[in-house]
Amino acid sequence: EPEVTQTPSHQVTQMGQEVILRCVPISNHLYFYWYRQILGQKVEFLVSFYNNEISEKSEIFDDQFSVERPDGSNFTLKIRSTKLEDSAMYFCASKPRVDSPLHFGNGTRLTVT
Amino acid sequence: SQELEQSPQSLIVQEGKNLTINCTSSKTLYGLYWYKQKYGEGLIFLMMLQKGGEEKSHEKITAKLDEKKQQSSLHITASQPSHAGIYLCGADKGRGSQGNLIFGKGTKLSVKP
Repeated sequence: EPEVTQTPSHQVTQMGQEVILRCVPISNHLYFYWYRQILGQKVEFLVSFYNNEISEKSEIFDDQFSVERPDGSNFTLKIRSTKLEDSAMYFCASKPRVDSPLHFGNGTRLTVT
Repeated sequence: SQELEQSPQSLIVQEGKNLTINCTSSKTLYGLYWYKQKYGEGLIFLMMLQKGGEEKSHEKITAKLDEKKQQSSLHITASQPSHAGIYLCGADKGRGSQGNLIFGKGTKLSVKP
């Protein structure tokens, strides 16, 4: 069964550094998402992406965050200058149609020191 | 803003026993999703409910959405150790939401062999 693939599984970075989290959504999917889960807290929506542009973003997704689909397969989340509070599990998700459920990847655990 | 409350927060059952997890919304639900999360891993899609009174089953798991579309339940029959994990309910944030989901805090299920 096709899967959403995320790399790396764990990333450690120093405060103030830029980090790029990578995702390969399922190949025939058209809608792409990033969510995050801070340890012990709820899963939170960050951003949705469709037709090469952001369709919706949350208050968390400020100017430090950006997303890109650089080619036909990858979907990336960049954090320009990481803060301690960015430490979380980041999940990529995708779906084929607007009325479909989300399919999530296994996540990237980001640790900011 | 809409909140999803899950109960119980945690549950320990003997293998073979039935159990029910509840998810209550402060507002009308337009789409309700059940996911399972294993520790440190991604969210696995279980079921999607959209219509009041809808009920879906897959293997030993049944999910229902009440007529008023403000409460959902997930029922597991004859639980097995493989059912252990964290069960999350998620809901579309609004009628026109395209994957911006809010999630409950989750119910941690342990199944004793």
